[in-house]
Formats: sequence, C-alpha cells, structure tokens
Amino acid sequence: EVQLLESGGGLVQPGGSLRLSCAASGFTFSSYAMSWVRQVPGKGLEWVSVISGNGGSTSYADSVKGRMTISRDNSKNTLWLQMNSLRAEDRAVYYCSRLDYDTSDTFDFWGQGTLVTVSP
Amino acid sequence: SYELTQPLSVSVALGQTARITCGSTNIGTKNVHWYQQRPGQAPVLVIYRSTNRPSGIPERFSGSNSGNTATLTISRAQAGDEADYYCQVWDGTVVFGGGTKLTVL
Repeated sequence: EVQLLESGGGLVQPGGSLRLSCAASGFTFSSYAMSWVRQVPGKGLEWVSVISGNGGSTSYADSVKGRMTISRDNSKNTLWLQMNSLRAEDRAVYYCSRLDYDTSDTFDFWGQGTLVTVSP
Repeated sequence: SYELTQPLSVSVALGQTARITCGSTNIGTKNVHWYQQRPGQAPVLVIYRSTNRPSGIPERFSGSNSGNTATLTISRAQAGDEADYYCQVWDGTVVFGGGTKLTVL
C-alpha cells in the first residue's frame, strides 16, 4: 500500500525557515518523481515544486522560486522541502504527492498534509 | 500563463448525473486529470489522462475532453460524492483549476 506521511509543519515567524519531510513507503521510491502541492485552508490547490526520481531535475512555481528547495534521499525513501524567507502568504497545508510512473503528469497518490502557519 | 476555468459550484439531485466542466483554450489537446477532495481530506485522483479511471474509483465517474472543454461526469450521484473537484494539466508547469464544489441535494 502506497503511503506518504508528511511532517515538519508548524508555526514560524515571517522571514523564518522550516523543513518539511515526506516519508514514503509501499513503492519503489526512486522510480517516481515526487512533488509538493499546497492549499490555503478553504482555497484551491497550488503546485509548489517537483523533483525527478533520481533527484537530478527540479522545478518550482514562480511564487516560491529562490526561497524553497526540494530534495530527496532515495536510500531513506524521504522527500524534503526546505522553506526559507517565509511569508504570510506561504501559510497553507503542504501535501506530498507522487507523480504517476508512465508519464509523470498525474498526482496519483497524496499524503494527508502538514500545516504551515507564518505569523509574528 | 495557462488558466483552467471551473464553475464555483454544481448541484445535483441524489441519483442524477452531475457534470463538472474545466475550460481553456484547446484543452482538448492536453491530458486532463481530475481530483476529488472531501472536506478535511487530501485530494484523490478520480480521472487521469482525460478519460481513465484509477483502480478503486467507481465506474460512475467518467471523463471526456474535446475542444475547449473537459468534463467530469458523475452518474447516479451519491451523498458521498459531495466534495470539491479540481482539474489539472501540465503546460510547462502544473496548472490546477480553481475547483468546483459539488452539492448533492
């Protein structure tokens, strides 16, 4: 059974940093691209970042480029999102998601999310 | 930038058919994916590549895509289908529609 378990969310001050983790199990982690998607409570989904299966390729939404870094350790089946220079508008639930194997264009499994709050 | 337009809300009577649209220029040339998000839960993929249903998703869920509109169709709507539904494509980057709240009356 595919499982994605996020952790690391919490309250941080504006300008602060936070690192989110996503522990994956139930599939061959290194074979799949992974992504972070966020959602302001009560609002829609916003894609944040994606990383290829071997970690060699990454991409970011313009809203987080230069402030957030996605990475992974395939030996630990873990995905991370390092978030720096956090702003009030970064407040959201952050979901870890797996991209499908064939075309890597579908988010076929999602974690339950971790809430990040940015406030003084 | 590419934008996907969804109605804010759709209502359907119990047992009837709901249709949720996702509009954009030439969306018919793209793979469209649909996600269901029940209140307080994570999104779940219900349709991928416009017309395909993942394992475990009821046959009541179907998708179509042509021209400037992709459509998620939910037949024999049930109370448990009440949720927000999002369409998604890749257009150089990931694009989500704004979401549609489905109410089953």
